[in-house]
Amino acid sequence: DIQMTQSPSSLSASVGDRVTITCQASQDISNYLNWYQQKPGKAPKLLIYDASNLETGVPSRFSGSGSGTDFTFTISSLQPEDIATYYCQQYDNLPLFGGGTKVEIK
Amino acid sequence: QVQLQESGPGLVKPSETLSLTCTVSGGSVSSGSYYWSWIRQPPGKGLEWIGYIYYSGSTNYNPSLKSRVTISVDTSKNQFSLKLSSVTAADTAVYYCARQGPIAARPFAFDIWGQGTMVTVSS
Repeated sequence: DIQMTQSPSSLSASVGDRVTITCQASQDISNYLNWYQQKPGKAPKLLIYDASNLETGVPSRFSGSGSGTDFTFTISSLQPEDIATYYCQQYDNLPLFGGGTKVEIK
Repeated sequence: QVQLQESGPGLVKPSETLSLTCTVSGGSVSSGSYYWSWIRQPPGKGLEWIGYIYYSGSTNYNPSLKSRVTISVDTSKNQFSLKLSSVTAADTAVYYCARQGPIAARPFAFDIWGQGTMVTVSS
């Protein structure tokens, strides 16, 4: 079975900072990776699909990159409304989510 | 726009069957372009995909839950449903229904979600 390792599990950053989250797959999953944002008490929201494609309506400060086993999610300039938990999700076989990264404002 | 809404009991007794329904509005569960999924999230924990169904009735389940899960679709009511048998406290979670696709472009992207419904397993 494919394992997904997402890191860090939490981070604290200042408004305007560049924030980076990584997701590592235990085997090659090509670009079969999505990223979601989940705010407290809310359903997750799709931000990035196929590793690097921005979902319609999502601000351009969010981006994704990577292929194979190593993937990166970036917020170029952290905004107060970006406080949330972010999840990666692979689908090489069946959908599997990473453990999540809680992003807080310093 | 397409909206999904979960419904069902918020409290289920151990060993019984959890039953939830997702009603689709603003779109059709009979669309051949999407799968329809269930995903859950235990309190304070991460997301776990349960399974999906296609309008034709074909299904795919998480192997870890497969022996206890049944997902069905009712195209006349524009709904799909989840049954999880022999529940324990470990099945306590927020249960989400979600649209998955479009199949031709991104078959495993969950692009529209319901608001979620909390189900507690307790006697």
